[in-house]
Amino acid sequence: KNEVEQSPQNLTAQEGEFITINCSYSVGISALHWLQQHPGGGIVSLFMLSSGKKKHGRLIATINIQEKHSSLHITASHPRDSAVYICAVRSGGSRLTFGEGTQLTVNP
Amino acid sequence: EPEVTQTPSHQVTQMGQEVILRCVPISNHLYFYWYRQILGQKVEFLVSFYNNEISEKSEIFDDQFSVERPDGSNFTLKIRSTKLEDSAMYFCASSEGRAAGYTFGSGTRLTVV
Repeated sequence: KNEVEQSPQNLTAQEGEFITINCSYSVGISALHWLQQHPGGGIVSLFMLSSGKKKHGRLIATINIQEKHSSLHITASHPRDSAVYICAVRSGGSRLTFGEGTQLTVNP
Repeated sequence: EPEVTQTPSHQVTQMGQEVILRCVPISNHLYFYWYRQILGQKVEFLVSFYNNEISEKSEIFDDQFSVERPDGSNFTLKIRSTKLEDSAMYFCASSEGRAAGYTFGSGTRLTVV
């Protein structure tokens, strides 16, 4: 069983829709990261969370430590949001353990 | 905004050859990392580096791999005697502290033929 599970694997939405991507993990963690990977391959850090909720523009990330679950929400989605969204956890030391990613496609 | 710079962006090498992937982390960052992503798979941790030594490494990071910070600004990953299965995107990252957020480089796509 993977330590970090994401759902869905693929998500297609229409422009303007509210999007939710989920991440569950099986180990105790010190922090959870949400990352964005564009088609060219580059990785951009979106959020680092250890509790509660963070917001940046149209992106919102929440985490429930007791339930070992985090969600990434995108409000008013736009085609430029199309990318792979990756959840990664730090459980000990400084290394990150990555999920498989969620491929998001937003159609105009 | 400060960036992590990786060179080259693409490298093709013959099986058995040595390659050196280069990274310039953000200047005030203290922790440096290498990760790799085989095509179609998830990103995997290779190694972390702090205070001029390896602080953590994965099972993937065997004797074929080595890291170095030769001059206070560059951070390199050397792969000796490359194998076909080393073909992947290699990402460098840095962070201010052990518990701080990461900044990733744009990656080096290594193809071993």
